[in-house]
Amino acid sequence: SQQGEEDPQALSIQEGENATMNCSYKTSINNLQWYRQNSGRGLVHLILIRSNEREKHSGRLRVTLDTSKKSSSLLITASRAADTASYFCATTLISNFGNEKLTFGTGTRLTIIP
Amino acid sequence: GAGVSQSPSNKVTEKGKDVELRCDPISGHTALYWYRQSLGQGLEFLIYFQGNSAPDKSGLPSDRFSAERTGGSVSTLTIQRTQQEDSAVYLCASSLAGGFGEQYFGPGTRLTVT
Repeated sequence: SQQGEEDPQALSIQEGENATMNCSYKTSINNLQWYRQNSGRGLVHLILIRSNEREKHSGRLRVTLDTSKKSSSLLITASRAADTASYFCATTLISNFGNEKLTFGTGTRLTIIP
Repeated sequence: GAGVSQSPSNKVTEKGKDVELRCDPISGHTALYWYRQSLGQGLEFLIYFQGNSAPDKSGLPSDRFSAERTGGSVSTLTIQRTQQEDSAVYLCASSLAGGFGEQYFGPGTRLTVT
């Protein structure tokens, strides 16, 4: 079952605009990560935010986390054509085996129009 | 520096045949994960290896699926008697000891069962 659900499922914006994607989850988490996937293949880690953090920045990326609402948002500022990709949030739980099990949402397909 | 590699990149097989998918993690990463991604979907956790500990097999969808990791490095995911619903991209990821943080993904193997 999917722990994270991204919203919207698809987003198209003009180059230079800001893109905001949201993620909601169901259970308590240790941290939340955002990944990008190009062309349906390997994922690239973008940013990790811990459960005791509320906001984090990395370059043009800004992530917020609201644990009371069980939600997170990813903001990409000044979008570029190269930002076109699918974006996934992944929540981390400690499994019975002690490992960090990542549970991914279904993703937001972002298209930047040149 | 070498990232996570997977082979083959694409595999087409007939229904009922067995397939083996290979993953070479980043050197020094003791945690290794397998995921499956069906078309347009998020990632589904399959199995996790951490050092010499017993693997977390809780995500394997049926007993036709198995995986091993030899020498704490290379891993092989085996699917026996493949079915059409096994068609998907199989992604491998590795992370540093304990797995509490960023996972590094390989490019995936696209499996098509005809």
